[in-house]
Amino acid sequence: GENVEQHPSTLSVQEGDSAVIKCTYSDSASNYFPWYKQELGKGPQLIIDIRSNVGEKKDQRIAVTLNKTAKHFSLHITETQPEDSAVYFCAATVPYNQGGKLIFGQGTELSVKP
Amino acid sequence: GAVVSQHPSRVICKSGTSVKIECRSLDFQATTMFWYRQFPKKSLMLMATSNEGSKATYEQGVEKDKFLINHASLTLSTLTVTSAHPEDSSFYICSARRGGGGDTEAFFGQGTRLTVV
Repeated sequence: GENVEQHPSTLSVQEGDSAVIKCTYSDSASNYFPWYKQELGKGPQLIIDIRSNVGEKKDQRIAVTLNKTAKHFSLHITETQPEDSAVYFCAATVPYNQGGKLIFGQGTELSVKP
Repeated sequence: GAVVSQHPSRVICKSGTSVKIECRSLDFQATTMFWYRQFPKKSLMLMATSNEGSKATYEQGVEKDKFLINHASLTLSTLTVTSAHPEDSSFYICSARRGGGGDTEAFFGQGTRLTVV
């Protein structure tokens, strides 16, 4: 089945710097890759996603890149702010005929220092 | 984004009792909902996939008789933890997909903190 690896597990940056989180997946049939932000005691919030027919997607300070050949995708946050501090999860979707379920990475705890 | 409402947000129950958690998609129909369990500082572990009008599909190692899932309508799925024990204490989160395809957005509820005493 699908396996998603996420790195780093913790990331500390200064306010205004960029943060990059990387994920790899194993199932070449996976076709949807969302990123979630989770604050303490809350459910994950979808922040950006990318589908397999696209190589890059950007939404203001957040961007995601996908390399299907290498089976890896990354989250880029520019001009980080203290409110970006949270745990970020990447995920990959198992094909619909296998249930369409989301398989999550291990998470990255991002800390943005003022 | 779409709204998924989960209730209750916190519950404390006595060992041996059952607890029901509700997950509602408020502004879209969800043919498929997912239930996750999350331990402190850990990732989300998929417990089961809930399909409207049919039996849930459980992940390996998840006891279907302990974690009863019902998906009676296109907007409501429930998870009942039966005969709860302290080791069932955890953060439970539901998710609903807007459409039937594998590449559609999945939105999460707020989570339920279950404490069994």
